[in-house]
Amino acid sequence: QSALTQPASVSGPPGQSITISCTGTSSDVGGYNYVSWYQQHPGKAPRLTLYDVNRRPSGVSIRFSGSKSGLSASLTISGLQADDEAEYFCASFISSARWVFGGGTKLTVL
Amino acid sequence: EVQLVQSGTEVKKPGESLKISCKTSGYSFTTCWIGWVRQMPGKGLEWMGIINPGDSDTRINPSFQGQVSFSVDKSINTAYLHWSSLKASDTAMYYCARQVDGGRFDYWGQGTLVTVSS
Repeated sequence: QSALTQPASVSGPPGQSITISCTGTSSDVGGYNYVSWYQQHPGKAPRLTLYDVNRRPSGVSIRFSGSKSGLSASLTISGLQADDEAEYFCASFISSARWVFGGGTKLTVL
Repeated sequence: EVQLVQSGTEVKKPGESLKISCKTSGYSFTTCWIGWVRQMPGKGLEWMGIINPGDSDTRINPSFQGQVSFSVDKSINTAYLHWSSLKASDTAMYYCARQVDGGRFDYWGQGTLVTVSS
């Protein structure tokens, strides 16, 4: 059950867009449309940001969007804001109701 | 309002046992699985497993099999994470979270910091 692969860090200036990738295998990301993304600010609990690849929970900005192609899923944040600076983790269903997280990506808003 | 409130910081010695709690409110406890997530210092999230409060059915990450166990007390809407013999490597923040349809964790506890040191 290896962690999904995410870039360690991404950055962008306010107002720009960034994309964070999450790469797995045919046994996880590639096999199911059950990919979630979580935002975690330092010292805080994670917060659900996207689920089922591209669905936004109530209260999450439309600036957050998701997609999936093959073995990779992506989180795109448009119109970067200072408060978007956080760590982002993807998660995928694997089998038998089990899940696996990605290693996390630190987003810096320049 | 859905809330998950976890028990406080723990400092334990290697070999000791521990049970931390996750008290839920604002929804019907037995309708959603509860998950546990570990975050070691400076590291990422690790999916430990989930428990069905209705029947205590459990799914555990093989990496944690035999190291931890889960339980619930339906009378007080509370889930627990247990260790029978702690190790220094169990030092981490532990989060509980509510799992809903599709498997996502939609509400999280605030975390319980466990420090294991001699």
